[in-house]
Amino acid sequence: SAVISQKPSRDICQRGTSLTIQCQVDSQVTMMFWYRQQPGQSLTLIATANQGSEATYESGFVIDKFPISRPNLTFSTLTVSNMSPEDSSIYLCSGGGGGHDYTFGSGTRLTVV
Amino acid sequence: EDQVTQSPEALRLQEGESSSLNCSYTVSGLRGLFWYRQDPGKGPEFLFTLYSAGEEKEKERLKATLTKKESFLHITAPKPEDSATYLCAVLRDDYKLSFGAGTTVTVRA
Repeated sequence: SAVISQKPSRDICQRGTSLTIQCQVDSQVTMMFWYRQQPGQSLTLIATANQGSEATYESGFVIDKFPISRPNLTFSTLTVSNMSPEDSSIYLCSGGGGGHDYTFGSGTRLTVV
Repeated sequence: EDQVTQSPEALRLQEGESSSLNCSYTVSGLRGLFWYRQDPGKGPEFLFTLYSAGEEKEKERLKATLTKKESFLHITAPKPEDSATYLCAVLRDDYKLSFGAGTTVTVRA
């Protein structure tokens, strides 16, 4: 299975600012995804990161708030823009396909104050 | 609409007391079923992928099985370090995962 390195592991940010989260995969994967996980809850899919094209967003999530890049098959970023306290959560990236199981990064714990 | 339901929500076991977790699903197209373990504050750790009914996979004290409508994760003689939340997810036709809410397992020494 692919190993995914995610950073930062945690951050405390001021409201109105933006944070970019990075994920690096140690091998090429077909699919990359970004999730949000609220405390005590399961994972909610934000978007699918498509290589070389715009991400595909799930209902309730928009590109202006969560811009995503995926320049190649091993790297992706998620930006949380114009943050408010409601954005405080754990953000997770995942990758898989191309012969790899779907694995996850270690997560980014975001607190907006 | 796709649905993944895990039961029970929580499970408290005595060390050595074997038990099973259930994951039932209704999806229009199943490409696979995944099991993950998640410890507090960490990302899900991949355990198993099952692709077809009748398939079984084992890893240490864990064994996963799959039927056409559900999957079971059997924990044999659990230890306190098996305490975690166990998540199942189905891989749909669009290659996205739909997750269940998870089962939180607590194993007491």
